[in-house]
Amino acid sequence: DVQMTQSPSSLPTSVGDRVTITCRASETIFSHLNWYQQKPGSAPKLLIYSASNLESGVPSRFSGGGSDTQFTLTISGLQPEDFATYYCQHSYYFGQGTKLEIK
Amino acid sequence: EVQLVESGGGLVQPGGSLRLSCAASGFTLSNYWIHWVRQVPGEGLVWVARVKSDGISATYTDSVKGRFTISRDNAKNTLYLQMNSLRVEDTAVYYCARDKGSSTPLDIWGQGALVTVSS
Repeated sequence: DVQMTQSPSSLPTSVGDRVTITCRASETIFSHLNWYQQKPGSAPKLLIYSASNLESGVPSRFSGGGSDTQFTLTISGLQPEDFATYYCQHSYYFGQGTKLEIK
Repeated sequence: EVQLVESGGGLVQPGGSLRLSCAASGFTLSNYWIHWVRQVPGEGLVWVARVKSDGISATYTDSVKGRFTISRDNAKNTLYLQMNSLRVEDTAVYYCARDKGSSTPLDIWGQGALVTVSS
């Protein structure tokens, strides 16, 4: 099984910050990596698919990068509505999540 | 509007059964692979099962194999997750989600259905 490891688990941050979350796969997964945002009480929302493709309707401050085993989700200019938990996913495997918290 | 709406969650005793429904609107279920993902409140996302667009080829995570079964009613554009021999550790919010492509991106999610297994 592929192991997906996100870091950090939590990240104190402030509005306007540039935030980068990392996701590592235990084996190469090429560009088969997706990112989700989840707010309390809501279903996850797809942000980025195939490592770097922005899902329709998602603000351009979100971007994804990486390939093979290491991937990043970057939020450029954090907005108040971005405080949430973010998950990476490959196939049947999810990362453990990264919670953005107000510093 | 393209959406998935789940129903059927509730409280059940250990060893009992429950059937979740996932009704699609705005698109045809049989054109997509559909996944079930669960989440214990306060914890992370865990993949449970998926069915291919043929409605027959299904894959399950090891912990639910032999207990959970996916089926589909094309006339109702609805997918079902039959859960038997439920265990306390199956307690979670269950989401159905649409798979839109080759990297398994789940682009449409239901609102979630809470399943509580407790005596």
